[in-house]
Amino acid sequence: AQSVAQPEDQVNVAEGNPLTVKCTYSVSGNPYLFWYVQYPNRGLQFLLKYITGDNLVKGSYGFEAEFNKSQTSFHLKKPSALVSDSALYFCAVTSSGNTPLVFGKGTRLSVIA
Amino acid sequence: GAVVSQHPSWVICKSGTSVKIECRSLDFQATTMFWYRQFPKQSLMLMATSNEGSKATYEQGVEKDKFLINHASLTLSTLTVTSAHPEDSSFYICSARDGGPPESDTQYFGPGTRLTVL
Repeated sequence: AQSVAQPEDQVNVAEGNPLTVKCTYSVSGNPYLFWYVQYPNRGLQFLLKYITGDNLVKGSYGFEAEFNKSQTSFHLKKPSALVSDSALYFCAVTSSGNTPLVFGKGTRLSVIA
Repeated sequence: GAVVSQHPSWVICKSGTSVKIECRSLDFQATTMFWYRQFPKQSLMLMATSNEGSKATYEQGVEKDKFLINHASLTLSTLTVTSAHPEDSSFYICSARDGGPPESDTQYFGPGTRLTVL
């Protein structure tokens, strides 16, 4: 069975500092990994994904994530946080093909000015 | 990027009535759409997978007779909540898979529909 763990319910970071939102996964076969962001009362916006290739994936709004197979992790990072980055972040995994995504519980990011 | 719309964005209805929610892929064809439900401060719970021209596949514990899904075309899937009750109040989100090769396979999400049943 596929699963995703986001160990932190909340991450607080000062504006301008680097941020990391953690994600670990469990899947049989090769993982397809995704990060989405959700603003209040809105749907999910796609940030980035890892399918294959380079372990460091760059996405929207300056976010990036590093796939680490040995640690089964896919942490989301940004070098310099903005107040507007404050939102709910979801990590998701699938094992490819026409299979649904399995989501983590979400991590609320608060960037403080 | 690909755009998915949902209509309505919010709806309030009386207990016992039925509500239909539409999910459309605006600039791509979606052979597969997914319906999720999200409770406050919780993650998304997959309800069903909808394939164009065939019956939806429901997740365990989701009543197929209560949550009717129709995927009549490559750009439209509908979720009908039949005989709605207050416990059905939730945020319903659909997503559409762009159907390309795995290297480009991404699910794009609609903005969600907030259902409140009185």
